[in-house]
Amino acid sequence: GAVVSQHPSWVICKSGTSVKIECRSLDFQATTMFWYRQFPKQSLMLMATSNEGSKATYEQGVEKDKFLINHASLTLSTLTVTSAHPEDSSFYICSAETGTGADTQYFGPGTRLTVL
Amino acid sequence: QQPVQSPQAVILREGEDAVINCSSSKALYSVHWYRQKHGEAPVFLMILLKGGEQKGHEKISASFNEKKQQSSLYLTASQLSYSGTYFCGTLTKGDKIIFGKGTRLHILP
Repeated sequence: GAVVSQHPSWVICKSGTSVKIECRSLDFQATTMFWYRQFPKQSLMLMATSNEGSKATYEQGVEKDKFLINHASLTLSTLTVTSAHPEDSSFYICSAETGTGADTQYFGPGTRLTVL
Repeated sequence: QQPVQSPQAVILREGEDAVINCSSSKALYSVHWYRQKHGEAPVFLMILLKGGEQKGHEKISASFNEKKQQSSLYLTASQLSYSGTYFCGTLTKGDKIIFGKGTRLHILP
């Protein structure tokens, strides 16, 4: 149980285009999902907390107009990187809480974004 | 505030033991341990809750000293599959999990 999927796994795009990343909880309902980015050999940096049916809460320094988050259902959250630039290249990982009260987060497999 | 992990990296031979420490300057509600292999997402290992406890499965166990705001992850008789980066995530009441910088573990045959 507690499986989270992400799509796509890899994406290469041209500078200036937008990229949408999907995060799905496959076998449970996730009222809260989290979006992280991770640079090589570094820790997970929380970008935003996504709650179903409400606006996402962004961490300090994360541009909400740049990184659009939509949590349309209890099993799907999307992150759209708008007008992507090479400095946006990173490993983006989502996670979801099972809501069992233990606050355990289960991570998706990640999406590697390369902006040319 | 980001928890501090030590050591930053360790190399072991297969069958040796390792201890990875995680400490925080804040009172902790829980500590979460994850392992991440290169190019993959972190995989949940275990959670330790306030009240001080020890947990383990197979040859990987952990302890949580609530008073010292520290947790340690114990890897005994390490296997090649244990290689990866280990992250601790700390949670204070009403806050979000904050992850440490990670400890890179490399197991040699």
